[in-house]
Amino acid sequence: KQEVTQIPAALSVPEGENLVLNCSFTDSAIYNLQWFRQDPGKGLTSLLLIQSSQREQTSGRLNASLDKSSGRSTLYIAASQPGDSATYLCAVSDNSGYALNFGKGTSLLVTP
Amino acid sequence: GAGVSQTPSNKVTEKGKYVELRCDPISGHTALYWYRQSLGQGPEFLIYFQGTGAADDSGLPNDRFFAVRPEGSVSTLKIQRTERGDSAVYLCASSSPGENYGYTFGSGTRLTVV
Repeated sequence: KQEVTQIPAALSVPEGENLVLNCSFTDSAIYNLQWFRQDPGKGLTSLLLIQSSQREQTSGRLNASLDKSSGRSTLYIAASQPGDSATYLCAVSDNSGYALNFGKGTSLLVTP
Repeated sequence: GAGVSQTPSNKVTEKGKYVELRCDPISGHTALYWYRQSLGQGPEFLIYFQGTGAADDSGLPNDRFFAVRPEGSVSTLKIQRTERGDSAVYLCASSSPGENYGYTFGSGTRLTVV
C-alpha cells in the first residue's frame, strides 16, 4: 500500500523567506503527483501537477520537483507571504491514474 | 458549472439516522471521486466513478456507505445508520482525462454525528 509522508508537519517562517516542503512516497510506480493547498475549513486547491515522466513544474513563486526513483518530491515557495499560510498536501496516484494517496500535510504559517 | 459544488456545507445528524451528501461536478468531467478527511489527516479515498458506474469502491469503509451517479453528472453519497465515527469532512472532486487527471475539489460537507 502506498504510504505518503510529509515533513515537516508544521513550519513557521517570517515573511520573505524561501522555504521547502518535503514529500516522500514508498511505491515509485506512480501516474502523477499533485500538490494542493487547503485553507482552514475549505476544500483543496490544486497548485501543481507533475506527470511521472516529468521532473518539475513551476507556477509563479512555486516550484515542485519530482524524483520518482527515490520516491521524493519537494515544493519550493519563493519569497513567502502571509497569504501563503495554509496546509500544503502532497498526493500521488498509482498507474491507474485516479485514486490519490495523500500525506497528512504541512501546516505553514508565514508571519508578517 | 464553474467549480465542484457540494451541498450541504454542514450537516449535523443524530446517531443512527440516514444522510445524503450531494456533489455537482464540473460540467463535462467524466470522473468523480469521493474522499473523507478526518481532523489532522489527509483525505482518504472512498469511491471513484467513471461516467455512471462505480469503477472502484474499495475505499468505502463498510456497507452502510453507498454512492450513486445515475446520469453521469451529480453524485450522492449515502450513509445509513450513522455512527459518531462517521464525523468528518466529505470531499468530492472531479477530473477529465484531457487535463491529465488533475483534480478539482469541492469545498466539502462537514458531517457531525451527535
